[in-house]
Amino acid sequence: QVQLVQSGAEVKKPGASVKVSCKASGYTFTDYHMHWVRQAPGQGLEWMGLIFSSGGRTIYAPKFQGRVTMTSDPFTSTVYMEVSGLTPADMAVYYCTREGVESYRFDSWGQGTLVTVSS
Amino acid sequence: QSALTQPAWVSGSPGQSITISCTGSSSDVGVYDRVSWYQHHPGKAPKLMIYDVSRRPSGVSHRFAGSKSGNTASLTISGLQAEDEADYYCNSYTNIYTYVFGTGTKVTV
Repeated sequence: QVQLVQSGAEVKKPGASVKVSCKASGYTFTDYHMHWVRQAPGQGLEWMGLIFSSGGRTIYAPKFQGRVTMTSDPFTSTVYMEVSGLTPADMAVYYCTREGVESYRFDSWGQGTLVTVSS
Repeated sequence: QSALTQPAWVSGSPGQSITISCTGSSSDVGVYDRVSWYQHHPGKAPKLMIYDVSRRPSGVSHRFAGSKSGNTASLTISGLQAEDEADYYCNSYTNIYTYVFGTGTKVTV
């Protein structure tokens, strides 16, 4: 069955970077784009951006442009999302979620990765 | 890229119907029929409930229905059940492969 398995919780200091992984299985990796969504404590879901199924092109929400980098390794069916210059406002659960090419919907989600930012 | 507007809280009794609104603009909900809805129980991964405004994925109960009028999309849950208690988020494609979520609605039964 389709599975998106994310890396474990992270604790980082302000100013540091964090890299979260999302390993896909149960489907053809290159048939789906991968998006990243986060939820800060007490807040709603926030779309961060996506990496296209081809693995090269990325699009980021304006808020994250320049601070977030998404990469993909089709050989291991794994997508990575790195956030640099962490602040307490980046403390959140980060989810990866897939979108079938041109399907405009997120039909399977990772379990989430909690990133704590604290000095 | 402002979040779509949803009511913070909607409640209903078991068996009743409730409707959650999702208001956007002529840049997102109003121009694209690419609205989806997600159910989110705390501590779990969100679940796709509706896509393309009114389509249901296989396995999702027929009690969930979506619609759209102008810049506002809606999710109706009929025959409310205790298991429907969760947070619900709408999402819309905006342009050039960007998306925006709604502010979220807590449903209590």
